[in-house]
This record gives sequence, C-alpha cells and structure tokens, in this order.
Amino acid sequence: QVQVVESGGGVVQPGRSLRLSCAASGFTFSTHGMHWVRQAPGKGLEWVAVISYDGGSKYYADSVKGRFTISRDNSKNTLYLQMNSLRAEDTAVYYCAKDLPWLDYWGQGTLVTVSS
Amino acid sequence: DIVMTQSPDSLAVSLGERATINCKSSQSVLYGSNNKNYLAWYQQKPGQPPKLLIYWASTRESGVPDRFSGSGSGTDFTLTISSLQAEDVAVYYCQQYYTTLRTFGQGTKVEIK
Repeated sequence: QVQVVESGGGVVQPGRSLRLSCAASGFTFSTHGMHWVRQAPGKGLEWVAVISYDGGSKYYADSVKGRFTISRDNSKNTLYLQMNSLRAEDTAVYYCAKDLPWLDYWGQGTLVTVSS
Repeated sequence: DIVMTQSPDSLAVSLGERATINCKSSQSVLYGSNNKNYLAWYQQKPGQPPKLLIYWASTRESGVPDRFSGSGSGTDFTLTISSLQAEDVAVYYCQQYYTTLRTFGQGTKVEIK
C-alpha cells in the first residue's frame, strides 16, 4: 500500500537550518510530483512547495521562497525539504503528499518548532 | 495566486441532518480544454493528516461514503454531507490545483449540534 513517512522535525533556534525527509513506498515514486504542506498549531493548511517527478521543476509559496529548497532522490524514493533561516512563524507540522494532481496520499507529518 | 474562501468558518448540525460547506475561488478553476474543475475537498480529523474526499469538484475518492458529494463549477463550489454521522466531525478544506502554486481554503469546522 502507498505510504509516505516524514522525519527530521524537531526544535530549532531562529535563523538556523533543518532538513526534512519523506520516505515513499507502495507506488512508482519517480513518476509523481510531490508536495510539502504545513499546518501551524491550531491553524489551517498552507501549501509550501512542489517538485516535478524528475526534479526538473520546483515551485514555492511566497512565504518560503529563497529560504526553503525542495529536492528529491528517485534512487532512494525520498523527498526532502531544506529549511534555512528559520523563523518562529515556520513552526508547524510539515506534511509530504503525493501529487495526482490532487493530493491523494499524505504522511502523518513531522513537527518543526522554531524557538529560542 | 488564487484565493480560496470557505463559508461558514464553522457549523453545527444535528445527527442525520444535512451539512453544506461553500468554497469560492478568486478566479475560475474550470479548464476550458477538458471542461474539468480543478478543485478538491479534504477532511481532517483531530490529530490526523488530511484525507482526500473529492477531486474534479464532484468525483468521490474510492472508499468515501456516498453521503459526501461535491458540486459547482467555475468559482463556486459546495461540499454536502447528506446525513451527518458522528464520525464526520472534522475540519473540511477545499483546494484548487488549477495553478502550480496550490492554495487551500481556510477550513470549515463541522460539529454535532
């Protein structure tokens, strides 16, 4: 069955960096775009970034552009989100999701807390 | 960016009654060449990730109960729960996939009256 499992979250100080990973299984990872979506505590869903099936195209929300980088390793069936210059407002649960182009499978999420 | 606006922000419905959630996009998400609306609905229960309910504005995902239905076209869409069950208590989100930069509505919380 399809599974996407996020990891890499934790507590980080403002201005520091963190890299999230999303391990995919149960589908042909290399033929699907992938997204990161986040949810601040008690808030709604915010789309963060998308990467094409081959990594050739990447798009970002304005709120993270220039600070976050989405990437993938199709040989490892893994999606990444490199987060630099983190701010308190980046505190959220980060979900990875498979593109169809609707988001048909979501992971359980990984919590990132930006705090001094 | 396309702005998605849901109404109401919350609603309380009696068990067995109908719940209706509206979603309006700031520009049309109807793609002329295939006549499809690039609009999905998701359900999120407390402590869980979102779950896909509906895509193409009205196509139910496999396994979704038929009490959930989607309708609308262009800029105005509706999610209807025909007979609310206790397990339907959740927050519901619409999302457009017309543009590469995807956007969600702010969510509608559904509770039992």
